[in-house]
Amino acid sequence: DGGITQSPKYLFRKEGQNVTLSCEQNLNHDAMYWYRQDPGQGLRLIYYSQIVNDFQKGDIAEGYSVSREKKESFPLTVTSAQKNPTAFYLCASSIVRTGFNIQYFGAGTRLSVL
Amino acid sequence: AQTVTQSQPEMSVQEAETVTLSCTYDTSESDYYLFWYKQPPSRQMILVIRQEAYKQQNATENRFSVNFQKAAKSFSLKISDSQLGDAAMYFCAYRSARTGTASKLTFGTGTRLQVTL
Repeated sequence: DGGITQSPKYLFRKEGQNVTLSCEQNLNHDAMYWYRQDPGQGLRLIYYSQIVNDFQKGDIAEGYSVSREKKESFPLTVTSAQKNPTAFYLCASSIVRTGFNIQYFGAGTRLSVL
Repeated sequence: AQTVTQSQPEMSVQEAETVTLSCTYDTSESDYYLFWYKQPPSRQMILVIRQEAYKQQNATENRFSVNFQKAAKSFSLKISDSQLGDAAMYFCAYRSARTGTASKLTFGTGTRLQVTL
């Protein structure tokens, strides 16, 4: 089955700890995205990548880091600098060409602070 | 920067009835794409319908249709013959068609739709 897999489904972070959220896709998409969802605020873009070994900051990148070493994978690290990490995190991917470039989403990871 | 506004935090509709969800956006661009995504309780985002700004004809997907008013920068979603499975959060989203931009989406804050018997 083609799709986007996010893991884990639930994650808990201790004070001062870095945690990494996994996102893998087998859709052969060039672009991948990370969004944060808070109640009443919709989805906000954290980072995105259009090609391997390249990525750009989104609207709320502070306290987060990413890597794109493989086309299929785009892990997100929530660092200790992110003071309010509790949220629902969604990963998405899309093709990159003219047209709709529809984004397909994973099932998300719920991050909570212990 | 583009912004997307959904002014209805919650809506309710009876089963089999029709409901319209509102969305307005602000942009200085002439070519762009608009989307409605559905997020059911599972929280998986699902594309409902899409519209290209250059196409005047309103998009339709089965029971879902849009009313796209480019001059008014309005993109409402109409759900006909509502079903219990339509209960979800609905997000309106905008994407620039400008060459060289990534396919970044700007989302509204969402409308929670309840479907009652």
